[in-house]
Amino acid sequence: TQLLEQSPQFLSIQEGENLTVYCNSSSVFSSLQWYRQEPGEGPVLLVTVVTGGEVKKLKRLTFQFGDARKDSSLHITAAQPGDTGLYLCAASSNTGKLIFGQGTTLQVKP
Amino acid sequence: EAGVVQSPRYKIIEKKQPVAFWCNPISGHNTLYWYRQNLGQGPELLIRYENEEAVDDSQLPKDRFSAERLKGVDSTLKIQPAELGDSAVYLCASSRMGQAEAFFGQGTRLTVV
Repeated sequence: TQLLEQSPQFLSIQEGENLTVYCNSSSVFSSLQWYRQEPGEGPVLLVTVVTGGEVKKLKRLTFQFGDARKDSSLHITAAQPGDTGLYLCAASSNTGKLIFGQGTTLQVKP
Repeated sequence: EAGVVQSPRYKIIEKKQPVAFWCNPISGHNTLYWYRQNLGQGPELLIRYENEEAVDDSQLPKDRFSAERLKGVDSTLKIQPAELGDSAVYLCASSRMGQAEAFFGQGTRLTVV
């Protein structure tokens, strides 16, 4: 069974702080996605990484895919209250199955 | 482009009653997913369709859950009879075949009392 382990599960920080969320697995994936979900809404795709070692930036968010394509990280610089939400990593196997990690609940306090 | 549409948004039912959820995926998206999500947790896959074929239903509790996608477009997910533990958000997502990125609807929040 392919599993994605996210850490931490919950993070509460002050506005302006930096943070990193991790997504790890023992399996190799063809691609990995990060989603953000707000209460009462479905997850919204932030980024897809496909190449080992790949780094993508989206404003204050930096996403990295591990060299072996088994793990990924999401780093947020100078967090803002608007970044509050549930961050989910998801991965697709080569059979097309899309599975999710347990999620990281981020709370940014003003 | 219209997004994934789900209905109803909310449903409250008594245990042992049936319930059905409906999903209209993004036009042109052959792949459709149904997920169940508990509060603060990641979505758990229930079933995945490629067009009208259920290609992965290994996580669907088949004694009480059923799903269909008759014409390869809209899909319904049914629970009969519902149990208290079925209370959750049921999410539908769609994607183009072969592409990893999935687009989600707003979900249906089910409360079984």
